[in-house]
Amino acid sequence: DVKVTQSSRYLVKRTGEKVFLECVQDMDHENMFWYRQDPGLGLRLIYFSYDVKMKEKGDIPEGYSVSREKKERFSLILESASTNQTSMYLCASRRQARLGQETQYFGPGTRLLVL
Amino acid sequence: DQQVKQNSPSLSVQEGRISILNCDYTNSMFDYFLWYKKYPAEGPTFLISISSIKDKNEDGRFTVFLNKSAKHLSLHIVPSQPGDSAVYFCAASETSTDSWGKFQFGAGTQVVVTP
Repeated sequence: DVKVTQSSRYLVKRTGEKVFLECVQDMDHENMFWYRQDPGLGLRLIYFSYDVKMKEKGDIPEGYSVSREKKERFSLILESASTNQTSMYLCASRRQARLGQETQYFGPGTRLLVL
Repeated sequence: DQQVKQNSPSLSVQEGRISILNCDYTNSMFDYFLWYKKYPAEGPTFLISISSIKDKNEDGRFTVFLNKSAKHLSLHIVPSQPGDSAVYFCAASETSTDSWGKFQFGAGTQVVVTP
């Protein structure tokens, strides 16, 4: 079974703090993703990485950065947290298939509250 | 602008009856579609998928129908069980190399199965 773990289930931070969210997968997947989930908006892609040291912006990258130094680990960084970044953050990983028709496996999520 | 829309935020259905969840998309380049199920405090889990070369895919109690001309897909759950109570997300992707198979998600439909 694929296992995707996220470093924290709940986080409370103050405005302006630097926040690190860590994600680790154990299935040697090439692709990894960071989403945020908000009511009425579903899951929106922040950043993704198709392989080590590679990254691509998703639909809402503003205010975020990422790091992928090792294949199993993908970090999301909020350089200066703001209240509108209060959300549920979900990490996912996927094997890179030739036609891209592979499902994504999600971690349990990190609920971040920025005060 | 959301490319995948789930217009029903919630659905209540009696145990044993059929649940029908709907999803519409606007991007005609989408060629791979998935449904994910999400329980509170857990990450989404893959339920069923369909490629655009098919119009139906079945897996046990779950069937997904795709109508490409209408840009519409639906998920049927028969019979509905209390454990099916969850949020269901529709997702779509364009599996060309340039897009890296990124998923676009709908806003989700909360299903409640009542005894």
